[in-house]
Amino acid sequence: QVQLVESGGGVVQPGRSLRLSCAASTFTFSSYGMHWVRQAPGKGLEWVAVISDDGSNKYYADSVKGRFTISRDNSENTLYLQMNSLREDDTAVYYCAKDWHHDILTGYLFDYWGQGTLVTVSS
Amino acid sequence: SYVLTQPPSVSVAPGKTARITCGGNNIESKSLHWYQQKPGQAPVLVIYYDSDRPSGIPERFSGSNSGNTATLTISRVEAGDEADYYCQVWLRSGDPCVFGTGTKVTVL
Repeated sequence: QVQLVESGGGVVQPGRSLRLSCAASTFTFSSYGMHWVRQAPGKGLEWVAVISDDGSNKYYADSVKGRFTISRDNSENTLYLQMNSLREDDTAVYYCAKDWHHDILTGYLFDYWGQGTLVTVSS
Repeated sequence: SYVLTQPPSVSVAPGKTARITCGGNNIESKSLHWYQQKPGQAPVLVIYYDSDRPSGIPERFSGSNSGNTATLTISRVEAGDEADYYCQVWLRSGDPCVFGTGTKVTVL
């Protein structure tokens, strides 16, 4: 069974940085696009970013563009999200999710999700 | 920007049928996916590409997509189906991924 385990969440002050990690196992990590999706407390799902299987293509939601950076290490089967200039409205549970497609240019479809890591931005 | 509108809540008695709608402009031209999220848990894919079911998802879950409305249908509803449900599309321009506003299904 596909496993995705996020880590790195916590409480951080506005304007500071945080890096999230997502350890993947039991599938060929280097063959699939990977996403970050977040959910603010009591709110709906919001897509954050995607990275292609080889890391060459990355796309971001307008709300995080220029502040967040998605990356991956296929040798370590790990996905990352570097979050800079954090704001209070970035407070959310952050999920990593595997894409069903090999090629992210053909669509986004989240077939497996991690359990999420909570990021709280507060002074 | 593209908006997917869902009813905030749907209530259904056990054994009956629940229908959850997802409205969007010309939504039938887009590939539509549905996720179930139980309290405190991560979302789970229940329908993909309008009407396909992943392995392990009961046949009671079905989907359709026509005109400006997609529908997730849950037949013979059980207490364990109580959850939030989200629709989602991929767009070729603008923000590439949009989720619906979410529908809370309550089993009476």
